[in-house]
Amino acid sequence: KNQVEQSPQSLIILEGKNCTLQCNYTVSPFSNLRWYKQDTGRGPVSLTIMTFSENTKSNGRYTATLDADTKQSSLHITASQLSDSASYICVVSDRGSTLGRLYFGRGTQLTVWP
Amino acid sequence: EADIYQTPRYLVIGTGKKITLECSQTMGHDKMYWYQQDPGMELHLIHYSYGVNSTEKGDLSSESTVSRIRTEHFPLTLESARPSHTSQYLCASGDREEVQYFGAGTRLSVL
Repeated sequence: KNQVEQSPQSLIILEGKNCTLQCNYTVSPFSNLRWYKQDTGRGPVSLTIMTFSENTKSNGRYTATLDADTKQSSLHITASQLSDSASYICVVSDRGSTLGRLYFGRGTQLTVWP
Repeated sequence: EADIYQTPRYLVIGTGKKITLECSQTMGHDKMYWYQQDPGMELHLIHYSYGVNSTEKGDLSSESTVSRIRTEHFPLTLESARPSHTSQYLCASGDREEVQYFGAGTRLSVL
């Protein structure tokens, strides 16, 4: 069964600190992996998208890594800000269909305290 | 900021009523999607469309229906709302790199 597991389920850090969120997947075949940020009451917004051949990709203070061999990805947030408080969702796409079937994780709820 | 809009943002309605959730995008994307998301849970695909006059059911069985008469418009309809339909409904459109752009969602409560 294709699955996407994220950890931790929730995380609280102080403003200015760094943190790393984890994503393990069993989706096969694999096309790409995306990280989305979802603010409370809003729709998800894409942060990064990585294909099989990419190991790391950055978007400002967000850096995503991908190890396609171990089927693991991480999202590292540097110098956290209050506005980083949100749910971070890992999404994996398979290669099997025109639609690009997406498998969603349940997200990591990040809270940044002042 | 993606140009995809959902209305209403919040809807409280009684059992048995017919409702339509609106979704519009101005990016000219052919692919559009409807997801259902309960609090703290993952998104589940309930409908998708490849383009005008194309609609397909997603992975999660849903009593809702959709239509795609125009590229920019992808409304979702529930003929007879029930309390089990209470959830958040998210609409998205996808570009050629398969990045999906989401609307703000409609939070539906059926009493």
